[in-house]
Amino acid sequence: QQQVKQSPQSLIVQKGGISIINCAYENTAFDYFPWYQQFPGKGPALLIAIRPDVSEKKEGRFTISFNKSAKQFSLHIMDSQPGDSATYFCAGRGGGGNKLTFGTGTQLKVEL
Amino acid sequence: KAGVTQTPRYLIKTRGQQVTLSCSPISGHRSVSWYQQTPGQGLQFLFEYFSETQRNKGNFPGRFSGRQFSNSRSEMNVSTLELGDSALYLCASSPVGGTGRQQYFGPGTRLTVT
Repeated sequence: QQQVKQSPQSLIVQKGGISIINCAYENTAFDYFPWYQQFPGKGPALLIAIRPDVSEKKEGRFTISFNKSAKQFSLHIMDSQPGDSATYFCAGRGGGGNKLTFGTGTQLKVEL
Repeated sequence: KAGVTQTPRYLIKTRGQQVTLSCSPISGHRSVSWYQQTPGQGLQFLFEYFSETQRNKGNFPGRFSGRQFSNSRSEMNVSTLELGDSALYLCASSPVGGTGRQQYFGPGTRLTVT
């Protein structure tokens, strides 16, 4: 199975709060898990990524937590800002070459 | 470095026609992948090219094809367009080797089939 399940579908967070988006995968052959941020009318932008041999990776306000045994990973956005309002996609790389299998996306809105 | 560029940005075609989309990867990147993005199906992998060879292919009909040139630029072609082909077509490039897992997306080509 190549599926990546992402939740929630939409999320509203107050400014300064923590945004949490979860993903679960089935394909144990995935070797790389990126998160992308997409604004309307733009292509997805690589935000942060993690390898399955690492349990956590932090870059600025963005943190990925990875649980290999549960086949789950999550994105935490600390001190969420209105400028973070966008659609976020998780993905897994595998199945040959650079093929990415994406989650269904989470529409995040950060309110003042 | 300049990012991934895609042309044209917007396209309107009629059912039954064919269309060719172009992608120029980031300088030095040799892998180019194509994805289709629709509200209903999300982001779906079409195919990947590396060194002018198709390295992987997604579950799309044979009407969808692509190629890569010696300078790593890539084109994708859709023949006999259907209404359901209306989508944002995204190209992503990736360096090969080392941390070559990262893929960087272009702004996409918005295709509307009427």
